[in-house]
Amino acid sequence: AQRVTQPEKLLSVFKGAPVELKCNYSYSGSPELFWYVQYSRQRLQLLLRHISRESIKGFTADLNKGETSFHLKKPFAQEEDSAMYYCALSGSDYKLSFGAGTTVTVRA
Amino acid sequence: DTGVSQNPRHKITKRGQNVTFRCDPISEHNRLYWYRQTLGQGPEFLTYFQNEAQLEKSRLLSDRFSAERPKGSFSTLEIQRTEQGDSAMYLCASSLRDGTGYGYTFGSGTRLTVV
Repeated sequence: AQRVTQPEKLLSVFKGAPVELKCNYSYSGSPELFWYVQYSRQRLQLLLRHISRESIKGFTADLNKGETSFHLKKPFAQEEDSAMYYCALSGSDYKLSFGAGTTVTVRA
Repeated sequence: DTGVSQNPRHKITKRGQNVTFRCDPISEHNRLYWYRQTLGQGPEFLTYFQNEAQLEKSRLLSDRFSAERPKGSFSTLEIQRTEQGDSAMYLCASSLRDGTGYGYTFGSGTRLTVV
């Protein structure tokens, strides 16, 4: 069975402050991990994926297999980062399992 | 191709009625997924297709739910004898099967309200 846990429902930070969204997973094989984002009144969209090791909109995420974590980080939050963020895991069948999501609010 | 399209965007129905939703995936994507999302929760997997074959159905999908993908193109999700607990956002997504890790492309969803 595969499971994704996002322990924080809500996260509020000031503009310019660092932000970290936690994600832990359980999966017996080698998963692919993703972060999806949903801005207000927009569809769910892919933010980044662990295999690409890229930085998107200043966000990075590192897969830590020892801790089974895939935390999302950004050193300086911007107001436009306010959104709902979902961590997701894909197993060998390429089916995505999502966490419950974290609502991020960036205050001026 | 403008991405994944879902219709209708909103549906209000009376309890006991049947409803049908449609999803048009990205044309070159051979996998199509249906998810359900309720307030405060992440999307929950319902079912998926590879081309026209329905490969898996979640235990969440009761006998009142049926999905089809004729000819491996668009898909429909039908809910018979709707209940208030069916009220949710129904999301469709599509992807390539080859597992390149590009993830899914989601539609805007159909919001169902059962009154």
